[in-house]
Amino acid sequence: DAKTTQPPSMDCAEGRAANLPCNHSTISGNEYVYWYRQIHSQGPQYIIHGLKNNETNEMASLIITEDRKSSTLILPHATLRDTAVYYCIVSRNTDKLIFGTGTRLQVFP
Amino acid sequence: SAVISQKPSRDICQRGTSLTIQCQVDSQVTMMFWYRQQPGQSLTLIATANQGSEATYESGFVIDKFPISRPNLTFSTLTVSNMSPEDSSIYLCSVLDRGDTEAFFGQGTRLTVV
Repeated sequence: DAKTTQPPSMDCAEGRAANLPCNHSTISGNEYVYWYRQIHSQGPQYIIHGLKNNETNEMASLIITEDRKSSTLILPHATLRDTAVYYCIVSRNTDKLIFGTGTRLQVFP
Repeated sequence: SAVISQKPSRDICQRGTSLTIQCQVDSQVTMMFWYRQQPGQSLTLIATANQGSEATYESGFVIDKFPISRPNLTFSTLTVSNMSPEDSSIYLCSVLDRGDTEAFFGQGTRLTVV
């Protein structure tokens, strides 16, 4: 599975959009981009995934560049409860999720 | 969605002893996984628990240290054997049903070895 690179930490004001980048330059054609988050003292929680097209659900939007070498997770209106570590994972399937170091997002009032 | 119950939620153990962690799911699932999260670190996959056969271990993890059972499609156990302080971590169970894209995680077992 391809390796991902994420910034170690980011800040975001409450109510603003949080844009979390992820680089996956070695992604192969059949690999998906998954995003999970881990709120303190909880197990990871699925957010969204995509292959080529941009995706949106009730939690977030996922923007994947045309060359698929990078992606951005967008939380449109961040709240304090969105403070968490966000993991970008590239995998052919969900059978084996290999977690990187993630981005620690701090939402402040 | 799957609801996962892990027991115990936390424990403090003496070095040299063993602890068995249980993972119970409220529905039958195809795949179950065990992860370790060391203090301040990301999650590391230990093994895939296979129903009716030996678990599949990731590099760096061995059956003698982390024996795993999976007697049916809703239950698995992970044993941390001959514990040392370096085994102090959160151990998490994860499940996935075939065809699903969303994996579910338990709340984890916080283990401290003294």
